[in-house]
This record gives sequence, C-alpha cells and structure tokens, in this order.
Amino acid sequence: NAGVTQTPKFQVLKTGQSMTLQCAQDMNHEYMSWYRQDPGMGLRLIHYSVGAGITDQGEVPNGYNVSRSTTEDFPLRLLSAAPSQTSVYFCASSYKSWAKNIQYFGAGTRLSVL
Amino acid sequence: KNEVEQSPQNLTAQEGEFITINCSYSVGISALHWLQQHPGGGIVSLFMLSSGKKKHGRLIATINIQEKHSSLHITASHPRDSAVYICAVPHGGATNKLIFGTGTLLAVQP
Repeated sequence: NAGVTQTPKFQVLKTGQSMTLQCAQDMNHEYMSWYRQDPGMGLRLIHYSVGAGITDQGEVPNGYNVSRSTTEDFPLRLLSAAPSQTSVYFCASSYKSWAKNIQYFGAGTRLSVL
Repeated sequence: KNEVEQSPQNLTAQEGEFITINCSYSVGISALHWLQQHPGGGIVSLFMLSSGKKKHGRLIATINIQEKHSSLHITASHPRDSAVYICAVPHGGATNKLIFGTGTLLAVQP
C-alpha cells in the first residue's frame, strides 16, 4: 500500500522561482490537506480540500495555490518562492467523516528558498 | 493563549520509565488526535479519541472532555520511543481541520 506519496523529498529554489509539490493518495480519501512545519511552531494548515473540485484556504494560504481535479491528487504550487517559505511541507489525507478522521501523512518535502 | 498547549516541551527519560505527556485545549471538540513524529521526520497518527481511554501496545491515551485535557502515557519506555509527540484538535467544529500543538520532544536513554 502506497498511502500518501509526496514528491520531491528535498528542493532548493531561488527567490522568485515557482514549483509544484506533488501529493497523491490511493486510499480514496475525500479530505486532503497541506501543512507547513517550522521550528518552534505546530503544523499549520495551508490549504485543504474536501473532495474533487473543492478547495479552501487554511491558516497560512498566502503565496500558495492548490487544485483538486481528481480524488487522488492534490498538488501545492508556489507561485513565486520567497525565503519565508523555507519550511518542511506535509500532505495529509483522511476520510471526511469525523468518526474516521485518522490523518495519513506523506513523508514530507524539505524546501529551502535562497 | 494558544488553543492547544502541550507539556512538557522536552522530556528526557531512562529506559523503562513511565512517561506522561499532557495536552490542554481551549475549544470544544469532537475528538482529539495524538501523533508521533520520528527523527527522520515522518508523522504517524497514534490515536483519535473522543472519550475515556484507548490503548495500543505500551501507549495509552486518555481524555477528559469536561476539563479539556488529554494525556499520553508510555509504559516501560524504550529508546525507540524517542520522538516528538504532537496533539491536535479540530478547529471551529470543522472536524477535518486540525490545530496542532508544538509537540513534546521525548528522548529515552538506554
């Protein structure tokens, strides 16, 4: 079982460059989300989706864009990278029902913006 | 005041000790999550609980909804338990959107 697959694992960007972090899950989960993790802070929600075609902003959405064209995929786009976006990014998925809301995480992407 | 607070922030224990990590929250919730993040960075869900107690191996999670408090206990701790333990609660009634604590860094020494 693949679970939640994130790529790439590491990335270095220059300020102003754009890139897409990929996230795919094979568990038919309705809910998918992107978090960033910074030292001394808890995971913070960037964007989330409750199903194909439906996305919404989380706590820290500025500078990021998402789309959900299929149940399986939920890419995160950095439009113009800034040093403040240096972070570790996690994708997660779960069933929409709160009773089955165990979240499954990808392995993370460590991003450095120079 | 953070909506989710964990204590202690750092904890060092000797192998075999009984460990308790605490989580307090300020919002009404339907369920609380405990997660584990290993030094390699991967995050794994340990428990989701809405009342009482759950046990999985040497891990026990308890929750008191009235007091807005949860504890994670590790019995007979082992160096492989060394990790960051994170609690999280749903945000604003939207049960999938979680607010995370900053984590408790546990080091179990042999």
